[in-house]
Amino acid sequence: GAVVSQHPSWVICKSGTSVKIECRSLDFQATTMFWYRQFPKQSLMLMATSNEGSKATYEQGVEKDKFLINHASLTLSTLTVTSAHPEDSSFYICSAREYRGNTGELFFGEGSRLTVL
Amino acid sequence: AQSVAQPEDQVNVAEGNPLTVKCTYSVSGNPYLFWYVQYPNRGLQFLLKYITGDNLVKGSYGFEAEFNKSQTSFHLKKPSALVSDSALYFCAVRDMYSGNTPLVFGKGTRLSVIA
Repeated sequence: GAVVSQHPSWVICKSGTSVKIECRSLDFQATTMFWYRQFPKQSLMLMATSNEGSKATYEQGVEKDKFLINHASLTLSTLTVTSAHPEDSSFYICSAREYRGNTGELFFGEGSRLTVL
Repeated sequence: AQSVAQPEDQVNVAEGNPLTVKCTYSVSGNPYLFWYVQYPNRGLQFLLKYITGDNLVKGSYGFEAEFNKSQTSFHLKKPSALVSDSALYFCAVRDMYSGNTPLVFGKGTRLSVIA
């Protein structure tokens, strides 16, 4: 299957700093990537849909100014958590679809665990 | 609106016994259905999908799932469980005609296989 690489896997930062998480599709082009957030022992919450060359579409309740998403190329999307606070600590997972007709499953990155001190 | 229900938070099964992880769905049209597995501190791995055709779908690691349209279910099964199957399992759905949209996930079922 297609490979999605996410970096960094772990990051610890001080409150008030910004953190950037990268998501790359390694062997396919992804015009659309999706960013999810997962709280402990909970399911995935869709944060936003990242479209190459245009603005991201955010889900209700997700602050677009706090979670900046950039999809500059067909293989790279970035999520920047700005002015991070402890409540932003979470597991962030990106995913991309290898477009095959209209059926394609999502391929996921390995996730990035953010801890804000 | 699309939704997925995984009625069991936890499933325990003895190694070597068959396992079933339940999933029911709701979509307005025809569904595309998926199962994913997540190991601790890892992303999700794709197991299998139902798009069309045979109701019994075979996937990775010996897993299979049966699509039942009348019961709107897509239960995950394996004839003989392994300890290494212990993980968190997610069922997901999207409507066939929903375009390039994200998947809607169930809340997950934690499978524990006991030696």
